[in-house]
Amino acid sequence: KNEVEQSPQNLTAQEGEFITINCSYSVGISALHWLQQHPGGGIVSLFMLSSGKKKHGRLIATINIQEKHSSLHITASHPRDSAVYICAVSGGSQGNLIFGKGTKLSVKP
Amino acid sequence: DAGVIQSPRHEVTEMGQEVTLRCKPISGHNSLFWYRQTMMRGLELLIYFNNNVPIDDSGMPEDRFSAKMPNASFSTLKIQPSEPRDSAVYFCASSPQGRSTDTQYFGPGTRLTVL
Repeated sequence: KNEVEQSPQNLTAQEGEFITINCSYSVGISALHWLQQHPGGGIVSLFMLSSGKKKHGRLIATINIQEKHSSLHITASHPRDSAVYICAVSGGSQGNLIFGKGTKLSVKP
Repeated sequence: DAGVIQSPRHEVTEMGQEVTLRCKPISGHNSLFWYRQTMMRGLELLIYFNNNVPIDDSGMPEDRFSAKMPNASFSTLKIQPSEPRDSAVYFCASSPQGRSTDTQYFGPGTRLTVL
């Protein structure tokens, strides 16, 4: 079993829809990261969470430490949100990441 | 800042050849990470350095892989000899202190194809 599981693997949405991507992990963590990988391959960090909730523009990330679960929400989705969204966790004091397999999101106009 | 710089962006080589991938982290960042991404396994940590010292190399597949960080502004990942199963995208990332709560900044990646 993978230490970090994401669902769904693939997601197609219509422009304007509310989107939720889920991440569950089975190891103890210090922080959870959400990353976005563009169609061209570049990877950018969206959020780092150790508790609670963070919001940046139309993106919201939440984490429930007790349930070992995090969600990434996108409100009013847009075709430019089409990308692969990757959940990753880091444990202890070290920064090395363990990654989920990613969720490929396609937003249709 | 230019961000994390990797070279080359694409590399095509033949089985058995030596391959060297290069990375320049963001200036002032003390930690550097090498990751590999494949369709089958996704992103995996190969090795990471803190203050130029290798901290965890447990992800390095085998002795054919080696990584160095001779100074704070340069790292190399070498594969010798290369094999077709090494074909992947190799990412370098850096972070300020290497803490679990630090944001990591990724380079554009090197797409390696071993024929």
